[in-house]
Amino acid sequence: EPEVTQTPSHQVTQMGQEVILRCVPISNHLYFYWYRQILGQKVEFLVSFYNNEISEKSEIFDDQFSVERPDGSNFTLKIRSTKLEDSAMYFCASSAGNTIYFGEGSWLTVV
Amino acid sequence: LAKTTQPISMDSYEGQEVNITCSHNNIATNDYITWYQQFPSQGPRFIIQGYKTKVTNEVASLFIPADRKSSTLSLPRVSLSDTAVYYCLVGEKAAGNKLTFGGGTRVLVKP
Repeated sequence: EPEVTQTPSHQVTQMGQEVILRCVPISNHLYFYWYRQILGQKVEFLVSFYNNEISEKSEIFDDQFSVERPDGSNFTLKIRSTKLEDSAMYFCASSAGNTIYFGEGSWLTVV
Repeated sequence: LAKTTQPISMDSYEGQEVNITCSHNNIATNDYITWYQQFPSQGPRFIIQGYKTKVTNEVASLFIPADRKSSTLSLPRVSLSDTAVYYCLVGEKAAGNKLTFGGGTRVLVKP
């Protein structure tokens, strides 16, 4: 069964550093998403991406965040200057237009 | 966006059937009902989706009454590995639409 794959599985970074989280969506999917889940809290929508541009973004997705599809297979989330409160599990997801499939997540710990 | 209400937690025993009911009183005509499962430190996993009456797959059944103001996810003969958080989501089945997660129902399966 096709999967959304994410790297790294876990990253520890110092406050103020830039972080790039990588995702390989399911190959025939056209819609891409990033969600996050702070420990013990709900899964929160960050951004959706289609046709090489952002379709929708939440209030969380401020100027510190950016997304990119640098080639035909990868989808990345960049956090420019990490804060302690960015510590969370970040999930990439993709969809062919109906069901959304999630990756296993990247744990980001900001110290 | 239709608001959903589901129990915070449920306990069950191995081999029993687990039924989780979700209320969505203001569901719209175009809305579908989708259930996801999430294990600790993993991404949400699609279980089942339906519009009305009954849907069954190899994992679960989804019962939706005629008024569609609620739905019940039924997990037959649960095992310890079914311990997870189960989310009920309601929204249009339109391409690119994001998912909005609530708190979910934490199901604990005991031996």
